[in-house]
Amino acid sequence: ELKVEQNPLFLSMQEGKNYTIYCNYSTTSDRLYWYRQDPGKSLESLFVLLSNGAVKQEGRLMASLDTKARLSTLHITAAVHDLSATYFCAVDSGSRLTFGEGTQLTVNP
Amino acid sequence: DAGVIQSPRHEVTEMGQEVTLRCKPISGHDYLFWYRQTMMRGLELLIYFNNNVPIDDSGMPEDRFSAKMPNASFSTLKIQPSEPRDSAVYFCASSLGEGEGEKLFFGSGTQLSVL
Repeated sequence: ELKVEQNPLFLSMQEGKNYTIYCNYSTTSDRLYWYRQDPGKSLESLFVLLSNGAVKQEGRLMASLDTKARLSTLHITAAVHDLSATYFCAVDSGSRLTFGEGTQLTVNP
Repeated sequence: DAGVIQSPRHEVTEMGQEVTLRCKPISGHDYLFWYRQTMMRGLELLIYFNNNVPIDDSGMPEDRFSAKMPNASFSTLKIQPSEPRDSAVYFCASSLGEGEGEKLFFGSGTQLSVL
């Protein structure tokens, strides 16, 4: 059974700081997704990583994938309050996604 | 396209009653997924369909849950009889199913409360 673990689960950071969220998974996969969820809202796709070494950037967020280490990272640069949300990674295991527990990020002024 | 459309947005019912959740996927998407989200268990895949055919229903909690997809533009998730532990947010999602298209597009969810 595929297990997807994120850490940290809760992250409180100051505006302007940098931080990284980690996503580890237990079985071989070369497709990984990052989603954002605002409180009481649906999930919004952020990144799709489809191969080893894939790196994607959008604004202050950058995601990478290391399939050999079974690890993806979501790096936040110079955080702003608008980034406060819960971030999920999800791993593809044959047409179905298994989600991590989510990382609740709070960016304080 | 209006995106994945779910109804109702909120449902409050009493234990033992039948509940039906509805979903309209994005036109042209071949895959449809039903997820449940709770604080305790996070996001769980309940069932998914490919071209209207159920492919994997191993996540369906028990026989009280059933899902159908009678055509490419409509799916239902039914709980009968409902129990308080079924209270959760139920999301429907759809995808194209190939390469970059495997990205899931989620509906707004149905917040279910079973009293």
